[in-house]
Amino acid sequence: AQKITQTQPGMFVQEKEAVTLDCTYDTSDPSYGLFWYKQPSSGEMIFLIYQGSYDQQNATEGRYSLNFQKARKSANLVISASQLGDSAMYFCAMRVSGVSNFGNEKLTFGTGTRLTIIP
Amino acid sequence: KAGVTQTPRYLIKTRGQQVTLSCSPISGHRSVSWYQQTPGQGLQFLFEYFSETQRNKGNFPGRFSGRQFSNSRSEMNVSTLELGDSALYLCASSLGAAFTEAFFGQGTRLTVV
Repeated sequence: AQKITQTQPGMFVQEKEAVTLDCTYDTSDPSYGLFWYKQPSSGEMIFLIYQGSYDQQNATEGRYSLNFQKARKSANLVISASQLGDSAMYFCAMRVSGVSNFGNEKLTFGTGTRLTIIP
Repeated sequence: KAGVTQTPRYLIKTRGQQVTLSCSPISGHRSVSWYQQTPGQGLQFLFEYFSETQRNKGNFPGRFSGRQFSNSRSEMNVSTLELGDSALYLCASSLGAAFTEAFFGQGTRLTVV
């Protein structure tokens, strides 16, 4: 079974500062993907970034980067130069993949971190 | 290209009624998954369809069912609604587990009174 742990229920960060949202995961499958989503108050889950378990380099997407430490089973999201519009819930999620998991494509989510950017 | 479309956005039903929610995935995506989000339980997986076949099912009672059509559009149905079914229902569209994309719609907020 897969498990995602997000230990920060809420965070307050000053505008323009960088912020790191923590995520640890647990799985026995060697092939998996890690996702980060942003959920504003409107409810939509916005895809931010993806990291595959075999990817050698940390994923980056604009102001978002994923600090992937495989041995520690952590996949922290780093947001550089935070903006007021970054205030939202952030979810870390995992999906196992590979031939042995064909058909098992569900995402397992953490409990989320509510990020508030202070002007 | 168009994103994942869920309809309706908001719904109010009374206990005992049934409801059908719709999800149109991104063009070319054949995998559709459904999730229930509540403040108490967080995001929970309901079921997943690929090419009209249910491939995975979460731990929900039989009142929750779904289907997928040949154009990949999916519907989920909840019969005999209970107050606890009030939630945000999210649909995710993907090419498949071997791919990196997993995009969500805006969700349907269901309120059972």
